[in-house]
Amino acid sequence: ETGVTQSPTHLIKTRGQQVTLRCSSQSGHNTVSWYQQALGQGPQFIFQYYREEENGRGNFPPRFSGLQFPNYSSELNVNALELDDSALYLCASSQDRGEIQPQHFGDGTRLSIL
Amino acid sequence: AQTVTQSQPEMSVQEAETVTLSCTYDTSENNYYLFWYKQPPSRQMILVIRQEAYKQQNATENRFSVNFQKAAKSFSLKISDSQLGDTAMYFCALREMSSGDKLTFGTGTRLAVRP
Repeated sequence: ETGVTQSPTHLIKTRGQQVTLRCSSQSGHNTVSWYQQALGQGPQFIFQYYREEENGRGNFPPRFSGLQFPNYSSELNVNALELDDSALYLCASSQDRGEIQPQHFGDGTRLSIL
Repeated sequence: AQTVTQSQPEMSVQEAETVTLSCTYDTSENNYYLFWYKQPPSRQMILVIRQEAYKQQNATENRFSVNFQKAAKSFSLKISDSQLGDTAMYFCALREMSSGDKLTFGTGTRLAVRP
């Protein structure tokens, strides 16, 4: 079974630009969550999607948005990039919202804002 | 709001020795899960061990075990027979049943295993 894959691995943008990060969930997983991990910090929850609907969001402004597709792949979009958006962005998927299932993480996308 | 605190930014242990990483948390809920994740330099977050709050018995996974003190809201990780491959950042995380898949992480402990 394939794991969670994220693309791209690294990305450099400038302030004010827009970026799209992609995640392919592990096979059979219908829930995806996105996290932002600043350097030296623990991951911070951005939002999660279940069956293509957003159903939980952390303390992030609306310029952070997402999509989940019928094949359960997902995108994180960030508009009007700011210097503080520089971070590792992690995607995690799990199988169901019922009984707790462990989340499987991807290797992340390192986003640098100049 | 739920919080997770890891008060040890860095720890060091000799290979084959035992080390304990500390974690405290706060939640107003009674149904939740606690996790320890390992993040090596490769960046991928790897689940080490998990504990259901309703279970009194401490979870164990091979060389990894936890000391779960629900009343004290404490959740420490013990690594026995430390190996060089255990060198990584370790994060404690809380998942409340009412919050879906949302994990609240601590700031992490960097563990170095010395040969």
